[in-house]
Amino acid sequence: QQPVQSPQAVILREGEDAVINCSSSKALYSVHWYRQKHGEAPVFLMILLKGGEQKGHEKISASFNEKKQQSSLYLTASQLSYSGTYFCSYSGGSNYKLTFGKGTLLTVNP
Amino acid sequence: GAVVSQHPSRVICKSGTSVKIECRSLDFQATTMFWYRQFPKQSLMLMATSNEGSKATYEQGVEKDKFLINHASLTLSTLTVTSAHPEDSSFYICSAPGGYTEAFFGQGTRLTVV
Repeated sequence: QQPVQSPQAVILREGEDAVINCSSSKALYSVHWYRQKHGEAPVFLMILLKGGEQKGHEKISASFNEKKQQSSLYLTASQLSYSGTYFCSYSGGSNYKLTFGKGTLLTVNP
Repeated sequence: GAVVSQHPSRVICKSGTSVKIECRSLDFQATTMFWYRQFPKQSLMLMATSNEGSKATYEQGVEKDKFLINHASLTLSTLTVTSAHPEDSSFYICSAPGGYTEAFFGQGTRLTVV
């Protein structure tokens, strides 16, 4: 079952902040966040493993709630390079296959 | 991180022909490789899991006879789209599992069937 992402799309001006949410009906082993630009492979942003975890690098951070059913990706002081489609995904089972959400299209304008 | 090399990056083929896509793990051995398909403005959908030395596992609704997967060695997995039709035009991408780390994606293949 796909995780549910929201919003589906967001348009920002450079320097503005955004939050992308991801939720699941069941507890997850882990949640992965990726950014994909058109025609390219997804680029790994971060993985969260523990309930209550928060992590980040530079101006992109993420959280995973205690029940491990919701995650949010925080983009602060957005840059033009942040534009792309953001996917959350979760890994389940022993072979670590990923199930992706439908994605959030982020557009950052000058 | 680990490197997965996927070829070709783009291919155009005629309807009814077959196309082979290769995915190689360059600096590690991959016993498992995932194959995803992505239609325009949609998410990545898992098609199948290839396992070295055994039969691939296909997701529900994916035709085994149309999408042939072979994982002949620990560094090479291939996806062959047989008798391709325009509706098979899509972005195909492989990835090796990272376990509790990031997954390692190939560059993707843009298939256009005319």
